[in-house]
Amino acid sequence: ETGVTQTPRHLVMGMTNKKSLKCEQHLGHNAMYWYKQSAKKPLELMFVYNFKEQTENNSVPSRFSPECPNSSHLFLHLHTLQPEDSALYLCASSPPGPQRETQYFGPGTRLLVL
Amino acid sequence: TQLLEQSPQFLSIQEGENLTVYCNSSSVFSSLQWYRQEPGEGPVLLVTVVTGGEVKKLKRLTFQFGDARKDSSLHITAAQPGDTGLYLCAGAKSYGKLTFGQGTILTVHP
Repeated sequence: ETGVTQTPRHLVMGMTNKKSLKCEQHLGHNAMYWYKQSAKKPLELMFVYNFKEQTENNSVPSRFSPECPNSSHLFLHLHTLQPEDSALYLCASSPPGPQRETQYFGPGTRLLVL
Repeated sequence: TQLLEQSPQFLSIQEGENLTVYCNSSSVFSSLQWYRQEPGEGPVLLVTVVTGGEVKKLKRLTFQFGDARKDSSLHITAAQPGDTGLYLCAGAKSYGKLTFGQGTILTVHP
């Protein structure tokens, strides 16, 4: 399944660095999501965008800054992260209409903060 | 916070055995999804169940949604090593918000 792509696949950054994660969906969906997946914890929803508008910020620290320039692209800007932010960051998208509750995930970016 | 309890957390079986994974909640969901995730990859959708009591089959996998739409199960018949992975259930309660279980790590030994 290559409908949702994420780059980079792996990222190592220091606590003072600034980096960005990119997500692109080729499925014609109108909603996009960022999730954090840490070991031994359920997937945590971070942000939701519908038609480029942010509709959910799940109490995410401001060192994570999302950007959605259009319905096909989603970014997560990172700055002054902490080691506990190391995790797999997953992007997902979902279609409008009756299938809107079904989300399709990208392969994720494995982030390590040193 | 809506909790989705998934059990067991770990399952190690021999090829050819049957298994069942459970997903339980005190909340009612409008739909429930099952995903399978391999190491280093994102979750891949297996099925969406919507109607209470619904049963869906995908080859050797059988998915059931509880009558009250609070619980679900995944049954695998004659498991194969290729079934190894992390199985996740996720319940939908409102648009765009999925609540995920903590996952079941399945290992099928040849």
